[in-house]
This record gives sequence, C-alpha cells and structure tokens, in this order.
Amino acid sequence: QKEVEQNSGPLSVPEGAIASLNCTYSDRGSQSFFWYRQYSGKSPELIMFIYSNGDKEDGRFTAQLNKASQYVSLLIRDSQPSDSATYLCAVTTGTASKLTFGTGTRLQVTL
Amino acid sequence: DGGITQSPKYLFRKEGQNVTLSCEQNLNHDAMYWYRQDPGQGLRLIYYSQIVNDFQKGDIAEGYSVSREKKESFPLTVTSAQKNPTAFYLCASSIAGQGIGELFFGEGSRLTVL
Repeated sequence: QKEVEQNSGPLSVPEGAIASLNCTYSDRGSQSFFWYRQYSGKSPELIMFIYSNGDKEDGRFTAQLNKASQYVSLLIRDSQPSDSATYLCAVTTGTASKLTFGTGTRLQVTL
Repeated sequence: DGGITQSPKYLFRKEGQNVTLSCEQNLNHDAMYWYRQDPGQGLRLIYYSQIVNDFQKGDIAEGYSVSREKKESFPLTVTSAQKNPTAFYLCASSIAGQGIGELFFGEGSRLTVL
C-alpha cells in the first residue's frame, strides 16, 4: 500500500461546477496535510493546509480532513478553466520532518 | 523579490558524467530540500538539510550528493552512479521542518541524459 494515494485522473468537470479531489494516507500518526497545485511544466504551489479534523475554507477552496478514515479531500467551488492543473496531496509521515507526496490528480475544467 | 533560484533550467548530460544543479534562496529559510519528479510518480525526496553543514538522505539518495556550506545554497550533484537520472528536479525551502510550514519551490531543473 502506498503511503499517500490519489486517483491520477483526469478528473473532468464543467466550468462552474464543484471539483472534488480525494487523498488517502496510511500513517495513522500523520499530523499535517497539504494540497499543492502544479501547472504543467511548473513547480508546485501551496493551496491549502489542514491540521485538525473537519473543514477549512479559503475562498473557493475547502479542505476536509477525517483522521479516523485517513482521508483528506479538496473541494473547488465554481471551477474555472484556470483551475486545470495537477493537484498534489502531501502528508507528514513518520517524523514531522518528512513530507510524503501523492502522485497527484489531474483536473480538467471544461468550458 | 524573495524566492528560490534554480539553475540551469534545462541540462543535457552524457552518460557517465557528473552534473551539479544549483539552488539558491534568499528567504532566510533554515530548511532546504531536493525532490525528483518523474511522470506518474509524484515528488520523491532525495536529500534535505535543516541547518548549515548538516543534511540527511531522503527516500532516493543513491547516486546523488549534496552540500550545505551556506544557509542560502544547497547544490545537488547527480553522479554517474545514478542509473536513471533523466527527470525534473525541484529544490524547495521552508522556515523549519517540512511538516510544520509551507514548502516554497524553485522553478525546477530538467535534466536529460543522452
């Protein structure tokens, strides 16, 4: 079992719809969870981070964390074509100094 | 402007040659990291350093070497011992450990072995 798992996609949603990106992790001791966005050929940039169970909202983005189910998700409301990118889930595993990335989910927002 | 500068952006290397990728940051961050990204495999940690003159191996350190002589600089050498070096290499920094705060990435260096 991979430490951090994501569906590679592509996930295709129409403009204006809600995109739901999911990530599961295997280390029950994980404390910190991050979502990075990566445009093709570019470097990742941080979108959201979440440390506690529940929801965290920032503009059109909502991160959801369920530690009991070892599941973290990212919702993007009112999806725009500019949201088309690969979204990487990252989770602390082992010690706090180690961050493990998932393979990413490619999102396509269609007109 | 504060940020991370990687060079070169594109690099071609013949088999058997060592190559060094540069990474410089002016964010005054203590921690610096090198990741490798291959298609469909996400980011994998090569080496990281949390303080000057100290660094630790990541998950795929074999065939790579680093140094951290200055806080601002964390160069990565891809040696001839690295069996499949063609990849996109990303340098990152953070204020402290990875799990504590945001990672800031450079623009990346794309290495192709001919």
